[in-house]
Amino acid sequence: DTGVSQDPRHKITKRGQNVTFRCDPISEHNRLYWYRQTLGQGPEFLTYFQNEAQLEKSRLLSDRFSAERPKGSFSTLEIQRTEQGDSAMYLCAGAGTVNNYGYTFGSGTRLTVV
Amino acid sequence: GQQLNQSPQSMFIQEGEDVSMNCTSSSIFNTWLWYKQDPGEGPVLLIALYKAGELTSNGRLTAQFGITRKDSFLNISASIPSDVGIYFCAGQWDTDKLIFGTGTRLQVFP
Repeated sequence: DTGVSQDPRHKITKRGQNVTFRCDPISEHNRLYWYRQTLGQGPEFLTYFQNEAQLEKSRLLSDRFSAERPKGSFSTLEIQRTEQGDSAMYLCAGAGTVNNYGYTFGSGTRLTVV
Repeated sequence: GQQLNQSPQSMFIQEGEDVSMNCTSSSIFNTWLWYKQDPGEGPVLLIALYKAGELTSNGRLTAQFGITRKDSFLNISASIPSDVGIYFCAGQWDTDKLIFGTGTRLQVFP
């Protein structure tokens, strides 16, 4: 148990459907990151929150993607009108002010779009 | 997205052998990190390096932060079957996002 929980672990959806993933970091994690990992690749940055403020978004995050962290605790990542190319592992990571480096990843949500 | 160059892509070794892998970047970083990822799980931090030239050990693992700040290597000594997995390097600038390498897949045969 890394302390960062992601739900669901697996999601299979039909193309065109909307999906939402949730990430629960530990309370000390004021920073929260979303990454996407496709098969055979390293994780790629999507977006980053400092408390409830979304401070950076990657160009990978198209307008079909939206992320929120309304109270600075848990975060959600929504993908609208899913496409087959969205199939990937979506990883969430948390980091606090004490440990500024090498943040803690959750186990990820594996999305399959059919 | 940007990914760091990591080599080798995969390694097949016998239990007890030493392993070496490295990572290079066209950009400099303030921090180099090494992660291990098991199938279906998120990456787990192995070693963090904070200063150019720094050499750090964690059990059988040793990693170095290159003096140019553009590269790092990871050594695993006396490999065991549970070392199997994918190893990723990652570079970081301050508390910014991580830029990951392409990964090295390690297989250990008894």
